[in-house]
Amino acid sequence: QVQLVESGGGVVQPGKSLRLSCAAAGFTFSDYGFHWVRQAPGKGLEWVAVIWFDGSNRMFGDSVKDRFTISRDNSKNTLYLEMIRLRAEDTAVYYCVRDQPRTVTPAFEMWGQGTMVTVSS
Amino acid sequence: DVALTQSPLILPVALGQPASISCRSSQSLVYSDGNTFLNWFQQRPGQSPRRLIYGISNRDSGVPDRFSGSESGANFTLKISRVEAEDVGVYYCMQGTYWPPTFGQGTKLEIK
Repeated sequence: QVQLVESGGGVVQPGKSLRLSCAAAGFTFSDYGFHWVRQAPGKGLEWVAVIWFDGSNRMFGDSVKDRFTISRDNSKNTLYLEMIRLRAEDTAVYYCVRDQPRTVTPAFEMWGQGTMVTVSS
Repeated sequence: DVALTQSPLILPVALGQPASISCRSSQSLVYSDGNTFLNWFQQRPGQSPRRLIYGISNRDSGVPDRFSGSESGANFTLKISRVEAEDVGVYYCMQGTYWPPTFGQGTKLEIK
């Protein structure tokens, strides 16, 4: 079954760190680029980061640049988002999103169920 | 960043009636290869977003043919020919022509 399953969310204090994971199944992981997209409670969608299918490029939204890192482990079919120096405004549901195969233009073809991150003291 | 402006933000529609959502871009979304990377997403209450339309007018697998996408200049439209109860939710347009990818504010479709 083709799926993306996020994990690692939770409640964290401001200034602390958290790592999200996204386990993929049912397709050839290394053929696809992936994004993280977040949604603050009651708000719209905000793109966070991308890693290309071949790992050759990573980009970040301005609001998370220098604090978040995206990586992938093709041997484990897993995508990661490492978040440091977390702020209250990072509170959101974080979605793992898959692109179309072997492309670099964002398509957001498939979405995981999301994992909630709450930054609060 | 490219701004996408959706209208209306709230769309009350009676069952069986048509619905139309507009998405206006702050600049042309035509990529250097001639393609236009404008997609539409549906987010039902309590669910993750789901892509409905890609490349202006191409329906994703499993999407009912009552959903259609079109373009007129830098204005894009999502149409639902006959609204059903399962169509309730928030609809977003999104552009992937320029980095960073950006979304419209969302249009909440509700049953009148």
